[in-house]
Amino acid sequence: AQSVTQLDSQVPVFEEAPVELRCNYSSSVSVYLFWYVQYPNQGLQLLLKYLSGSTLVKGINGFEAEFNKSQTSFHLRKPSVHISDTAEYFCAVSPQGGSEKLVFGKGTKLTVNP
Amino acid sequence: EAGVVQSPRYKIIEKKQPVAFWCNPISGHNTLYWYLQNLGQGPELLIRYENEEAVDDSQLPKDRFSAERLKGVDSTLKIQPAELGDSAVYLCASSRGGGGAHEQFFGPGTRLTVL
Repeated sequence: AQSVTQLDSQVPVFEEAPVELRCNYSSSVSVYLFWYVQYPNQGLQLLLKYLSGSTLVKGINGFEAEFNKSQTSFHLRKPSVHISDTAEYFCAVSPQGGSEKLVFGKGTKLTVNP
Repeated sequence: EAGVVQSPRYKIIEKKQPVAFWCNPISGHNTLYWYLQNLGQGPELLIRYENEEAVDDSQLPKDRFSAERLKGVDSTLKIQPAELGDSAVYLCASSRGGGGAHEQFFGPGTRLTVL
């Protein structure tokens, strides 16, 4: 079975500051890794995903994430955030070669202040 | 292309009443998912369909929850009777299938409040 730990439940930052949202996972098999964003009263939208290859993955809205297999981490970063980045961010894993079951973390609420 | 459509967006009911949620996936997506999202939590899978077949319903509380996906397109999730603890957001998602690498596209969800 897989599990995901998002180390920070809330992250407040000022506009134009850099941000890192941390994600660690546990799995006995290789996994695919995802970051989703959820704006208020909306469904989840895919930011980026790691399937294979380069460990640095770039996504939409200027976000990127780095897969670190030895540390079983997949932290999300953005060099300069905007007010519009205020949302809930979810890290998720799915086992390779198995079911399509996504296992989500509990989420990190990112609040960007002016 | 149109996204995943869910209705209603909000539902308020008394406990012990029945309730149903409807989902229309993205055209051509064979795989459909229902997730439960409690306040302050990530989504948790309730059931996954491949076309008309429920291939993973291990997390669906079958004493009160049921789901169907007739003709492999639209799907309905039902709760009967609803309990106070069922208050949550119910999300529907779809994907082209073929393994965990495929992106799941989510609808806006139905927020259920049980009084």
